[in-house]
Amino acid sequence: NAGVTQTPKFQVLKTGQSMTLQCAQDMNHEYMSWYRQDPGMGLRLIHYSVGAGITDQGEVPNGYNVSRSTTEDFPLRLLSAAPSQTSVYFCASSPGAGGDEQFFGPGTRLTVL
Amino acid sequence: GEDVEQSLFLSVREGDSSVINCTYTDSSSTYLYWYKQEPGAGLQLLTYIFSNMDMKQDQRLTVLLNKKDKHLSLRIADTQTGDSAIYFCAVNNYGQNFVFGPGTRLSVLP
Repeated sequence: NAGVTQTPKFQVLKTGQSMTLQCAQDMNHEYMSWYRQDPGMGLRLIHYSVGAGITDQGEVPNGYNVSRSTTEDFPLRLLSAAPSQTSVYFCASSPGAGGDEQFFGPGTRLTVL
Repeated sequence: GEDVEQSLFLSVREGDSSVINCTYTDSSSTYLYWYKQEPGAGLQLLTYIFSNMDMKQDQRLTVLLNKKDKHLSLRIADTQTGDSAIYFCAVNNYGQNFVFGPGTRLSVLP
């Protein structure tokens, strides 16, 4: 099992550019989520999905879109990058939404100039 | 909504015990976790406790839960330099999302 994989590991964007952060898991987990990590603020939930075809907003969804066409993949799209989106992004998956361990990917470090 | 708080920094000497504290606001939180993040890596689950437990021990790790005060702690015995990392407290209920604290950066001094 590869677990949760994320690409790219690093990315630099200019303000206004768009891009997609990729996330995939091979554990047949129903629940997947995206977090951003900023110093002193812990992890904040951006979007999550409880299964293929179902997504919902988390705490900080503005400026991001997600889709879940398959169980395995959960891409995060930045529509028009802003410097405030400079952060480390983590994708996570778990069998269910509560009471289960969340498995985290290695993260994507994004810088928006 | 749920709010989870932790102190941001802790320094200890190698061989001493470390105690990392966490407070949360939602008394109905059922599952409480400790995650470890090493530099440049994702989070890894260290241990967890259910709300009907007061204590859980796993080798050098001891988790204490005080439900009345909504206080969770993680004790690391015989702290080693390899324990230097950021430790996150997280809580949730069945069917709900995780809420993470800001993380405590543990520095282990030789």
